[in-house]
Amino acid sequence: QLVLTQSPSASASLGASVKLTCTLSSGHSSYAIAWHQQQPEKGPRYLMKLNSDGSHSKGDGIPDRFSGSSSGAERYLTISSLQSEDEADYYCQTWGTGIAVFGGGTQLTVL
Amino acid sequence: QITLKESGPTLVKPTQTLTLTCTFSGFSLSTSGVGVGWIRQPPGKALEWLALIYWNDDKRYSPSLKSRLTITKDTSKNQVVLTMTNMDPVDTATYYCAHSRRSSSTLFDYWGQGTLVTVSS
Repeated sequence: QLVLTQSPSASASLGASVKLTCTLSSGHSSYAIAWHQQQPEKGPRYLMKLNSDGSHSKGDGIPDRFSGSSSGAERYLTISSLQSEDEADYYCQTWGTGIAVFGGGTQLTVL
Repeated sequence: QITLKESGPTLVKPTQTLTLTCTFSGFSLSTSGVGVGWIRQPPGKALEWLALIYWNDDKRYSPSLKSRLTITKDTSKNQVVLTMTNMDPVDTATYYCAHSRRSSSTLFDYWGQGTLVTVSS
């Protein structure tokens, strides 16, 4: 069964970097994922597509501070030079065997 | 520039059928590989995928909700319609539509602003 697992919460200081993780279930380590950002009281915003080899393509207007990387079944979103507006929920998403799957989301707090 | 916008009732009664419309611009649902999906988010909870329709009328549904959902498209109007039968208070959520492309692993790369639907008598 295709499942995406995310830690419920993360925190980092203003100006620092943070790395969020999305883990693909066993047997699905080759899958590409998307990262989406959802700021408080707003709809989701597509950040990037992240492939299994770590290559990624970002959405329109996404700053260079956002980058992606991969290792095995893990997909990472790194945000550098954290700003207050980065405080949001971050969701990973993939598609497999005819269904879309979302992770449970990580709530990022910027201290 | 791709944009999507959801519309429909803000309040429905239990057991009623919900009909939501996604009106989009900046792309055509007759273009090979393009898809439009529906996703919902109950208050304070995570995103949940509901359904997706491709340019060739191929339709996919969430297995847990398949019996209650129907997705259709009107290419000439640039619209996708989702119907959900037998609504229940647990279906209270913000409903989003989103654009995808098969060439991009059917990942959602443009989102609508969402519409809040409350189910209550």
